Amino acid sequence: GQQLNQSPQSMFIQEGEDVSMNCTSSSIFNTWLWYKQDPGEGPVLLIALYKAGELTSNGRLTAQFGITRKDSFLNISASIPSDVGIYFCAGQYAGGTSYGKLTFGQGTILTVHP
Amino acid sequence: DADVTQTPRNRITKTGKRIMLECSQTKGHDRMYWYRQDPGLGLRLIYYSFDVKDINKGEISDGYSVSRQAQAKFSLSLESAIPNQTALYFCATSDVRAPNQPQHFGDGTRLSIL
Repeated sequence: GQQLNQSPQSMFIQEGEDVSMNCTSSSIFNTWLWYKQDPGEGPVLLIALYKAGELTSNGRLTAQFGITRKDSFLNISASIPSDVGIYFCAGQYAGGTSYGKLTFGQGTILTVHP
Repeated sequence: DADVTQTPRNRITKTGKRIMLECSQTKGHDRMYWYRQDPGLGLRLIYYSFDVKDINKGEISDGYSVSRQAQAKFSLSLESAIPNQTALYFCATSDVRAPNQPQHFGDGTRLSIL
C-alpha cells in the first residue's frame, strides 16, 4: 500500500523561530493535506493542496505540493506557544479503489518554549 | 469539530468484552470513516462508508466491525476486545460534493483494554 514518511518526528523550538516539516511518499497523490491535532481533540485541517507545484499560505503557515506529486512541506513562521501540537500530512489519490481515502504520515510533535 | 460527535470520549474495559463506539454527524456528509491513532504511527483507516449501503474495509479492519445505521450515524464495534486495540479512535466525515473531499474529524474516543 501507499506509504508516507513524515519528518522530523518531533521538534523543540523557541518562540519566534520558524519551523519546517515535510512528507515524502512512495506513490503519487492528487491532493496533499496538512492537519493539526491539539491535545484531546481531533485533527483540524490547516491547508489543502490540489495541484503539483502549488504553494499556499494560511496566515503564518505555508505549504507546497511537490512537483513530482510525491512530497509536500509545511512551514510555520514566527512560532508562538499555541502552535504546540501534532502536525500530520495526508495524501489522497483520486483514482480506483483509493478514491476518497487518505493516507497519513506519522506526525510531527511540535513543542514551543516561550 | 462539534459537527462530528463521538461517544464515549473515554472507555476502559477488560479483554474479551464487546465494545461499541458511536459517531454521529450533523454536517450532512455522505462519507464516514473510522481511524485509530497510535503514537508514532499516525492515523490508520479501519473502515469507511461512502453511503448507507456501502461498507469497505480499510488497512487494519481485522478485529473490528462497523454499522452504518443512517447517513448521520456510523458505529465501530470490537467484538472481543484485546489489549493491542488500546488506542485513540477517530471518526471522520467528508462530502462528495466538496473539492477533493477534505475530511473532518471528531474529538476522538480514548479506549483502554486491560
